[in-house]
Amino acid sequence: EVQLVESGEALAQPGGSLRLSCAASGFTFRSYAMHWFRQAPGKGLEYVSAISYNGDSTYYPDSVKGRFTVSRDNSKNTLYLQMGSLRPEDTAVYFCARGDCSSTSCLVDFWGQGTLVTVSS
Amino acid sequence: EIVLTQSPATLSLSPGERATLSCRASQFVAKYLDWYQQKPGQAPRLLIYDGSNRATGIPARFSGSGSGTDFTLTIDSLEPEDFAVYYCHQRNNWLYTFGQGTKLEIK
Repeated sequence: EVQLVESGEALAQPGGSLRLSCAASGFTFRSYAMHWFRQAPGKGLEYVSAISYNGDSTYYPDSVKGRFTVSRDNSKNTLYLQMGSLRPEDTAVYFCARGDCSSTSCLVDFWGQGTLVTVSS
Repeated sequence: EIVLTQSPATLSLSPGERATLSCRASQFVAKYLDWYQQKPGQAPRLLIYDGSNRATGIPARFSGSGSGTDFTLTIDSLEPEDFAVYYCHQRNNWLYTFGQGTKLEIK
């Protein structure tokens, strides 16, 4: 059974940093791209980052580019998101998700349950 | 950025009725349009991928159609557990975007 478990809830101050983790099991982690998405309270889904199966390529939307860094450790079956220069608008539930990639696109097929990040002074 | 516009924002129906949800893309996305269901406090669940393919374990009452820029999710004979928020999602290269969601509520 595919399982993705994000690290526990976190509180950070504006301008601060935080690192999220996502532990994967039930599939060959090193064969899949991985993603982070977020959902602000009462809002819709937003793409945060993606990383290729081997970590060689990473992708970010403009909203987090230069502030967030995605990485992975295939020996530990773990995905990370290093978040910096945090803003109150980064407050959201953060989901990690698996990507099943073809030559042209990646299907996001399984999601973790999410972890709440609150940015507040 | 490709913008996805879902309609209606809210759909009020009774169990047993048919639901038709729409998603329009601002640019051509070929077949790379997926549908997710999300219930309160839960992660999104993949329902339909590549516009019309049901994901593993998804009941046959869920179907998708469309390609290019216009897509539809149809739910035949609504069950009580189908009332949730539905999101369309495009995955053109690595620049993912989502629609704003359609809330399917019990009438």
